[in-house]
Amino acid sequence: NAGVTQTPKFRVLKTGQSMTLLCAQDMNHEYMYWYRQDPGMGLRLIHYSVGEGTTAKGEVPDGYNVSRLKKQNFLLGLESAAPSQTSVYFCASRLPHLNQPQHFGDGTRLSIL
Amino acid sequence: GQQVMQIPQYQHVQEGEDFTTYCNSSTTLSNIQWYKQRPGGHPVFLIQLVKSGEVKKQKRLTFQFGEAKKNSSLHITATQTTDVGTYFCAGPPNAGGTSYGKLTFGQGTILTVHP
Repeated sequence: NAGVTQTPKFRVLKTGQSMTLLCAQDMNHEYMYWYRQDPGMGLRLIHYSVGEGTTAKGEVPDGYNVSRLKKQNFLLGLESAAPSQTSVYFCASRLPHLNQPQHFGDGTRLSIL
Repeated sequence: GQQVMQIPQYQHVQEGEDFTTYCNSSTTLSNIQWYKQRPGGHPVFLIQLVKSGEVKKQKRLTFQFGEAKKNSSLHITATQTTDVGTYFCAGPPNAGGTSYGKLTFGQGTILTVHP
């Protein structure tokens, strides 16, 4: 039982390049989330999904797009990477029931030069 | 929008000393969750508090939810080197209605334990 798996674990990009971060969960969770973590700022929600085929904006959505074509996968895309997007990205998932915890992946450390 | 503030940002203690981190929300919370993130790791759920004035214990960790449900604290008794990490509180962004499990995280308290 892998839980939440994120790929890749590390990536270095040049400004203007694009890339996709993949999050996969094997717990049959309905809800999935993408966060970014920057020093001193905790975790900030980028986008989230409440089910297959649905996505919604979080607190800091600009510069990112997401897709949830399959229930188990949640993709985060950067169309034109900027240095301000250098961060650690975490994916999380949870059941839709009341008072459930979020389960996090190991994170993707992304550097934009 | 809702803000969740945590203090202190950093705490350095000697092994065996106690540690407390405080969490304050700008709005009333329906519940509050606490997570721990080890250095280089990912956040791991510790506990959830739901009731006003609730107190829960996990071994050396004591969690409290304020009477007004706007603040919470985590207290660790006799810290050990295994307690090192960042402790986050998090609450739903909306006092009522559907939040779809979204959480607003505090900035976290980074705990260092010196042996």
